[in-house]
Amino acid sequence: QQQVKQSPQSLIVQKGGISIINCAYENTAFDYFPWYQQFPGKGPALLIAIRPDVSEKKEGRFTISFNKSAKQFSLHIMDSQPGDSATYFCAASMVGNQFYFGTGTSLTVIP
Amino acid sequence: DSGVTQTPKHLITATGQRVTLRCSPRSGDLSVYWYQQSLDQGLQFLIQYYNGEERAKGNILERFSAQQFPDLHSELNLSSLELGDSALYFCASSVGEGGNTIYFGEGSWLTVV
Repeated sequence: QQQVKQSPQSLIVQKGGISIINCAYENTAFDYFPWYQQFPGKGPALLIAIRPDVSEKKEGRFTISFNKSAKQFSLHIMDSQPGDSATYFCAASMVGNQFYFGTGTSLTVIP
Repeated sequence: DSGVTQTPKHLITATGQRVTLRCSPRSGDLSVYWYQQSLDQGLQFLIQYYNGEERAKGNILERFSAQQFPDLHSELNLSSLELGDSALYFCASSVGEGGNTIYFGEGSWLTVV
């Protein structure tokens, strides 16, 4: 059973636009929700993370929106740039447990 | 640089052979995770160790095994290799057993020919 479901699989956005990637989770015990960014041939790198006690977290152009009742969280990339073109993974975890990753979203930002 | 070191970076080997991938976690991290990523695929969780003990097992084949040593480095052993085992293998580490950030290494590219 997929613990974390991610959509869309791929996304094409114009430069300057907003990129939105969505994730949904099953286990209400999850208490840590990170997003990772991966460039080709590189390891995933932490982008931004949130805990369920807040509904939104913003770091620069990147924002996580978290809806605890719907068991959903999303990544918003404002003013998307060609350098943001990468694969993005959401994940969920809790203390004493492994990380569950989404299937990834390939983002392409067109100049 | 995440602080997680993986060796070798690239490896080409023949079918039926055995290889060992090595991972040194970030200083102070007790957990080590192994993931497999095939071309255009997501991150497939293989196994997790915490302070030398196995903590969680994912879709790890019986031909694969891993361990974490007293100095906290970890090794992933892949045996009787098949063409389909060609993938990027990532090691990641974290301070605790989950619920906080994990940091990935740069990966080990395995090509089975």
